[in-house]
Amino acid sequence: KQEVTQIPAALSVPEGENLVLNCSFTDSAIYNLQWFRQDPGKGLTSLLLIQSSQREQTSGRLNASLDKSSGRSTLYIAASQPGDSATYLCAVRPFSGNTPLVFGKGTRLSVIA
Amino acid sequence: DAGVIQSPRHEVTEMGQEVTLRCKPISGHNSLFWYRQTMMRGLELLIYFNNNVPIDDSGMPEDRFSAKMPNASFSTLKIQPSEPRDSAVYFCASSSPGLAAYNEQFFGPGTRLTVL
Repeated sequence: KQEVTQIPAALSVPEGENLVLNCSFTDSAIYNLQWFRQDPGKGLTSLLLIQSSQREQTSGRLNASLDKSSGRSTLYIAASQPGDSATYLCAVRPFSGNTPLVFGKGTRLSVIA
Repeated sequence: DAGVIQSPRHEVTEMGQEVTLRCKPISGHNSLFWYRQTMMRGLELLIYFNNNVPIDDSGMPEDRFSAKMPNASFSTLKIQPSEPRDSAVYFCASSSPGLAAYNEQFFGPGTRLTVL
């Protein structure tokens, strides 16, 4: 059974710092991986999706990498801002097609001005 | 597009009452997923549909939970009778067919359910 772990559970950094959020999964046979952002009391916003054949994806100040063989993904946030404060969730899709995601419990990020 | 629409956004009910949550997926999406989020367990799949057909309901906690998708634009999740341990945020998500989209899932804003 696929399990997804995110460490740390919470992180507080000063504004302007570059930071890395970590995600690990137990079964390397995945179809793709998504990073989401969740603001308090809100839904999930998809940030980046990486296919199993890809090594990284970039969107603005965000860069997500995938090392499938080691069961790891990282989300790199450059020049963090207070507006980046949110919970970041990592989710893997074990199978191709329209199949469910398996989520980690998230990392709660606070960027202090 | 308006995105995935869920109603109600908040629901407070008493133990034993019936609760119905509603979801409208993004137009053209053929898969719909119901997830539940709690502090203890995080986000977990309850059930999902492809082309209005339930594919996997192994995440549904017990017989008190049921879900339907009568057409491509509407789904319900019903809890009868509700219990305090059902208190959680329930999310609906949809995804589109075809390889180009990589089956990316889009989530609704969720329904926060409180059972007293």
